[in-house]
Amino acid sequence: NAGVTQTPKFRVLKTGQSMTLLCAQDMNHEYMYWYRQDPGMGLRLIHYSVGEGTTAKGEVPDGYNVSRLKKQNFLLGLESAAPSQTSVYFCATDSSALRDRVKRANVLTFGAGSRLTVL
Amino acid sequence: AQSVAQPEDQVNVAEGNPLTVKCTYSVSGNPYLFWYVQYPNRGLQFLLKYITGDNLVKGSYGFEAEFNKSQTSFHLKKPSALVSDSALYFCAVRDMGSASKIIFGSGTRLSIRP
Repeated sequence: NAGVTQTPKFRVLKTGQSMTLLCAQDMNHEYMYWYRQDPGMGLRLIHYSVGEGTTAKGEVPDGYNVSRLKKQNFLLGLESAAPSQTSVYFCATDSSALRDRVKRANVLTFGAGSRLTVL
Repeated sequence: AQSVAQPEDQVNVAEGNPLTVKCTYSVSGNPYLFWYVQYPNRGLQFLLKYITGDNLVKGSYGFEAEFNKSQTSFHLKKPSALVSDSALYFCAVRDMGSASKIIFGSGTRLSIRP
């Protein structure tokens, strides 16, 4: 049982290049999230998804796109990378259900992170 | 809008002494509150959560947190610190009425000296 797997773990890009980060989960969780972690800024929510085929903007969505074509995968795309997008990216999942008050308090399961450097 | 504040970037404590890591929050409704810990080069791990009920919540590794509604705070505590507690700690909040988003604080680096 792998839990949450992020690929790649490391990547160096040049300004203007594009790339996609993949988050894969085998826990059948409904909710998936992409966060970025920067020194002194903590974790900031980029985009999230409450189910297959749905996505929504978080706190810092600009410059990123996401897709959730399959329940188990949540892709984060950078169409034209900028140095300001140098960061560590974390994917997280949980099994929350909007109609279930107890399940809304479920905890997040995180991937190990993807370190992206944009030169 | 939801928000979380961790006013201290770093907390330094001697081993064996009690520790407190502060967190205040803001939500429009009632909150779910969480503490997570991050060790170097790892993802975040869950420590404890508050949903409802007893204001003192006990979690992993001897940590506990006290929910104070009037002060909108959820401070993390431990009676006796260990060197192995040194890590980055994050407070997070989820609005009960808007369950989809979880917002994290900026993190507090806890350093325990022998």
